[in-house]
Amino acid sequence: GAVVSQHPSRVICKSGTSVKIECRSLDFQATTMFWYRQFPKKSLMLMATSNEGSKATYEQGVEKDKFLINHASLTLSTLTVTSAHPEDSSFYICSARDGGSYKVEKLFFGSGTQLSVL
Amino acid sequence: AQSVTQLDSHVSVSEGTPVLLRCNYSSSYSPSLFWYVQHPNKGLQLLLKYTSAATLVKGINGFEAEFKKSETSFHLTKPSAHMSDAAEYFCVVSGGDSSYKLIFGSGTRLLVRP
Repeated sequence: GAVVSQHPSRVICKSGTSVKIECRSLDFQATTMFWYRQFPKKSLMLMATSNEGSKATYEQGVEKDKFLINHASLTLSTLTVTSAHPEDSSFYICSARDGGSYKVEKLFFGSGTQLSVL
Repeated sequence: AQSVTQLDSHVSVSEGTPVLLRCNYSSSYSPSLFWYVQHPNKGLQLLLKYTSAATLVKGINGFEAEFKKSETSFHLTKPSAHMSDAAEYFCVVSGGDSSYKLIFGSGTRLLVRP
């Protein structure tokens, strides 16, 4: 099946620094990618939807200046956590839609990034 | 508004015994429901989906789920657990008219004892 590669799988950083997480579709073109956040023992919460070549759409309550999303190509979207603080520590997961299909079978997930801010 | 509740954060079974992972949903209209599985260091994988066709849905790896509107449930079952089934399972409902506005449950970790 299609593969979505997410890197890094784990990152530890100091408070005040910025961290970039990459999400790549390895064998398909992804016009749309999604970023989720998961708190311990909580469900995945959609943070934003990114479309290639345009601005991301953020969910209510998500700070767009804190979580910068760039989707500059059909195979790569990045999430940058700017000026990270301990409360940003979480598990972040991306997903990518294969082509123009809205079928859920065409939605593929990365393996996630565990961010720890000291 | 739509939501899903996974009633158990952890379920432990012995290998070869049945698996039951519970999920209840809330939806103001006919929902689409899904189960995803996440193995360690892997991406979420679609196990099965319900989209208003047959109420008993068969998925991969011997899993199935039954949509019960009267009980607002979509429990995941498997007759006989295998060690390789140990993973995190998410019950998901689609939000709105987009199959990609997915609303996730909090997950159930399945442990399989030898």
